[in-house]
Amino acid sequence: SYELTQPPSVSVSPGQTASISCSGDTLGNKYACWYQHRPGQSPVLVIFQDKKRPSGIPERFSGSNSGNTATLTISGAQAMDEADYYCQAWDRNTVVFGGGTKLTVL
Amino acid sequence: EVQLVESGGGLVQPGRSLRLSCVASGFTFDEYGMHWVRQAPGKGLEWVSGISWNSGHIEYVDSVKGRFTVSRDNAKNSLYLQMMSLRVEDTALYYCAKSRWSAPLDYWGQGTLVTVSS
Repeated sequence: SYELTQPPSVSVSPGQTASISCSGDTLGNKYACWYQHRPGQSPVLVIFQDKKRPSGIPERFSGSNSGNTATLTISGAQAMDEADYYCQAWDRNTVVFGGGTKLTVL
Repeated sequence: EVQLVESGGGLVQPGRSLRLSCVASGFTFDEYGMHWVRQAPGKGLEWVSGISWNSGHIEYVDSVKGRFTVSRDNAKNSLYLQMMSLRVEDTALYYCAKSRWSAPLDYWGQGTLVTVSS
């Protein structure tokens, strides 16, 4: 089965740039998306089709996808961005999530 | 406003059954695929099952195949997950979510908690 691999944790200082990677076999040939999941809340889609932002998602969230790696970038990270982030792709009509990355802003 | 409201969770013994429901509003239900995604305590998100708008595509994660059955009633704007032969490892918060098929899961419910324990 298809697998997506993320680092378990990433730390960033407020106002700095955080990058979260997601790797999978020829992931660049698929669309990647990203979800933000705060404790006690439902997941929220923050990036779809590799780099597009849904309405209401701040411009500091951006994405890219090439080769075997998709990347979520948060420019000027804020305390409110502290959350778990999951990448996701479709493979043969099934939904695949990465293991999740805990972003700490400190 | 899109709303997805799950129900049916609870405490159940191993080997027993449970049926989850998700009622949708705020969008044209029969134009969207629907999914069940779970999160076990301290773990990440795990996709469980998906069903296309007309039930033409139905898929499951390997660990629930043969035990769980997803279905939908477009007339009632409702999604269901019939879970049988439940195991301790099925303990999780179960979310329903909507998407076009092969597209992102763009809205999620608040989840319903399933606890499998003797």
